[in-house]
Amino acid sequence: EIVLTQSPATLSLSPGERATLSCRASQSVGSYVAWYQQKPGQAPRLLIYDASNRATGVPARFSGSGSGTDFTLTISSLEPEDFAVYFCQQRSNWPPITFGQGTRLEIK
Amino acid sequence: EVQLLESGGGLIQPGGSLRLSCAGSGFTFSYYAMSWVRQTPGKGLEWVSTIYGSGETTYYADSVKGRFTISRDNSQNTLFLQMNSLRAEDTALYYCAKGWGSGSFPFDYWGQGTLVTVSS
Repeated sequence: EIVLTQSPATLSLSPGERATLSCRASQSVGSYVAWYQQKPGQAPRLLIYDASNRATGVPARFSGSGSGTDFTLTISSLEPEDFAVYFCQQRSNWPPITFGQGTRLEIK
Repeated sequence: EVQLLESGGGLIQPGGSLRLSCAGSGFTFSYYAMSWVRQTPGKGLEWVSTIYGSGETTYYADSVKGRFTISRDNSQNTLFLQMNSLRAEDTALYYCAKGWGSGSFPFDYWGQGTLVTVSS
């Protein structure tokens, strides 16, 4: 099973700042990584698929990069609505597919 | 508008059974793979099972294999998860999720979840 490790566990930033979230895989997953945003009481929302492709309706301030074992989600300039928990997910050589444990992005 | 609505969760004793349902609308249900994903505060998000659009191919996490059965009724646009021999560690919020495009993943739409609590 491929383990995804996200860092940091919690990121404290202010609106307008740049956020950089990391996801590291225990073995290569190619580009088969997705990123989700989850707000309290809501289901996860797909942001990025295949490492760098924005899902429909996702603002351009969200971008993804990486391949192999190291992936990054970047939010270029934080808006108040961006403070949430972010999960990465891999689909390489499944089953199983696996998720990272999440990064909580909180307002500083 | 794509909508997924889960139902069937509740409080059940260890060893018991429960059947979850997920009604889909706003898309051609039979075209897409569907999955169940569960979430707990301690273990985060855990993929449970996936079924292809035709219903002929299914996959399960090792933690539920032999106890859970995923199925679908494309005539009713409904996904199911039959859960038997339930354990305390199956306690979670269960989401149904739609596969994106022609693949099974990622999940482009999720329901709001149904809570399953396994406790005596």
